Amino acid sequence: DTGVSQNPRHKITKRGQNVTFRCDPISEHNRLYWYRQTLGQGPEFLTYFQNEAQLEKSRLLSDRFSAERPKGSFSTLEIQRTEQGDSAMYLCASSLNRVAEQFFGPGTRLTVL
Amino acid sequence: DAKTTQPPSMDCAEGRAANLPCNHSTISGNEYVYWYRQIHSQGPQYIIHGLKNNETNEMASLIITEDRKSSTLILPHATLRDTAVYYCIVSDNNQGGKLIFGQGTELSVKP
Repeated sequence: DTGVSQNPRHKITKRGQNVTFRCDPISEHNRLYWYRQTLGQGPEFLTYFQNEAQLEKSRLLSDRFSAERPKGSFSTLEIQRTEQGDSAMYLCASSLNRVAEQFFGPGTRLTVL
Repeated sequence: DAKTTQPPSMDCAEGRAANLPCNHSTISGNEYVYWYRQIHSQGPQYIIHGLKNNETNEMASLIITEDRKSSTLILPHATLRDTAVYYCIVSDNNQGGKLIFGQGTELSVKP
């Protein structure tokens, strides 16, 4: 247990539905990252926050995806109108400033039917 | 795109040293070399990082060549629990700390 929690751990949804995932980072960490990982591939960077500010978004993050970190603590990642290609593991990580060590949560596995 | 090249898979006997190579020939002067690993069905786990000098911690040693174009992660006494995918990543602080993962090396530690 790294201290980063993600909920739910598994989500099965039908194509076209909206889903929301939550990440609770280590409490004193001001940086929070979202990654996506498909089977057999390494994680891909999606976006990151410093406190409540979203500082960078990957081109992978289409307009159906939105992430928030309203009070600089927990974060949510919402996917609207899900597609089968969204099926993946969604990983959250946190760190203190830009230090090298990111602590990853266990991930949320999304399956879109 | 990832800036590193790693062999897709390696085997190691339990109790022996595991030496995982990584090529990063285009690394720039301010980029660090980071190693993470991912055990099946878990999130990635930080192992070690370095800039120029060799580094050692309780988990592993990192050997970086003098020209910094390659490095080796050494697990001195591999156990079955070290079976995982190992990722070598280069990054600098100007990239906001985001990690660009490649395919990694799948290490299998065998009894």
